[in-house]
Amino acid sequence: DIQMTQSPSSVSASVGDSVSITCRASQDISKWLAWYQQRPGKAPKVLICAASTLQSGVPSRFSGSGSGTDFTLTISSLQPEDFATYYCQQTDSFPYTFGRGTKLEIK
Amino acid sequence: QVQLQESGPGLVKPSQTLSLTCTVSGGSTTSGGYYWSWIRQYPGKGLEWIGNIYYTGSADYNPSLKSRVSISIDTSKNQFSLMLSSVTAADTAVYYCGRFNRVSPDTNGMDVWGQGTTVIVSS
Repeated sequence: DIQMTQSPSSVSASVGDSVSITCRASQDISKWLAWYQQRPGKAPKVLICAASTLQSGVPSRFSGSGSGTDFTLTISSLQPEDFATYYCQQTDSFPYTFGRGTKLEIK
Repeated sequence: QVQLQESGPGLVKPSQTLSLTCTVSGGSTTSGGYYWSWIRQYPGKGLEWIGNIYYTGSADYNPSLKSRVSISIDTSKNQFSLMLSSVTAADTAVYYCGRFNRVSPDTNGMDVWGQGTTVIVSS
């Protein structure tokens, strides 16, 4: 299985700040990475597919980059609703594995 | 707008079979490019992909569960189902059904999720 390592596991920031979350794959997955946001008690919501393609309805302050093994999710100008947990998922090969998550907390 | 809803027992005894159904509304399970999936989330919040199925009946499973898991689809009812046999406490989790979108390379991800159902394995 492809292992997905996310960092940091948690991060504190203020409204208006920018934050970046990284995800590293244990092998080359090209651009096949998705990012999800999960709020407490809710199902995850897809933000970005194919490493950098913003999904419909997702605010433009979210952006993704990377290819191969190293990927980054950047959230600029944090809004109150952005404080949640974020997961990456490789969609290159079965089983589609997830990172362990990054909890974004309000400072 | 496509919506998914999981249903099934919330409590299963050890060694028994966990059985869940996902009902699709607002869309069809026979729509091309969509793979109907099951994912679970452990109490510690980790996410695990269980498997998926296409409307043709072709399914893929997580090798870690392959000997115990089966996913089926009933297109006439617009439902797909999960069966997980010989469960233990380690199978306690929130189970989500979802739609994996492969309509285009730029949409490869789970774009629709059910609300999730908690399954506890306990005697």
